[in-house]
Amino acid sequence: AQSVTQLDSHVSVSEGTPVLLRCNYSSSYSPSLFWYVQHPNKGLQLLLKYTSAATLVKGINGFEAEFKKSETSFHLTKPSAHMSDAAEYFCVVSDGRDTGRRALTFGSGTRLQVQP
Amino acid sequence: EPEVTQTPSHQVTQMGQEVILRCVPISNHLYFYWYRQILGQKVEFLVSFYNNEISEKSEIFDDQFSVERPDGSNFTLKIRSTKLEDSAMYFCASSDVGSNQPQHFGDGTRLSIL
Repeated sequence: AQSVTQLDSHVSVSEGTPVLLRCNYSSSYSPSLFWYVQHPNKGLQLLLKYTSAATLVKGINGFEAEFKKSETSFHLTKPSAHMSDAAEYFCVVSDGRDTGRRALTFGSGTRLQVQP
Repeated sequence: EPEVTQTPSHQVTQMGQEVILRCVPISNHLYFYWYRQILGQKVEFLVSFYNNEISEKSEIFDDQFSVERPDGSNFTLKIRSTKLEDSAMYFCASSDVGSNQPQHFGDGTRLSIL
């Protein structure tokens, strides 16, 4: 079984300040981990993915995430927030590398608000 | 960049009626998926489809649901007799074959059952 916990349902930052969105996962296998972003009335866009290569993963729009197996975490960070970053962010886990299963398990999401 | 397209963006249907949600996956992808998100809840996996058959489904995907690839480009989700609790945002996704390949999502269809 696998699960994802996003520790904050809502995060508010000022433009130009760092962003930290926290995610912890649970998996019986070697997981693949993803961050997706959803802007209002839009679909889920892939930000970045971890699939067992480098533990520090760089994504689009200046976001990055670090896979820490000892802490079962995959937190999303960005050095400087932009107004356009305001959206809902989902941490997602898959055990497909070991099981062949394709179903993704989503966290409950973190709404990021960016203040001017 | 190629994208997954879904139609309609919003569907309103009377309870008990059949509804078909349509998706055009990315053209060279071979795996197709449906997920749903009930308002205020997590995104949930419904079904995956490969080589013209269901490869995996969740407990949610009961006999009321079916999927089909009627031609070379479309992928559909049919709900046979809709219930109020089927109201949700339904997302279609597609991916390439490898187990590490990410799933690419459409913008979703908001289904409202009256």
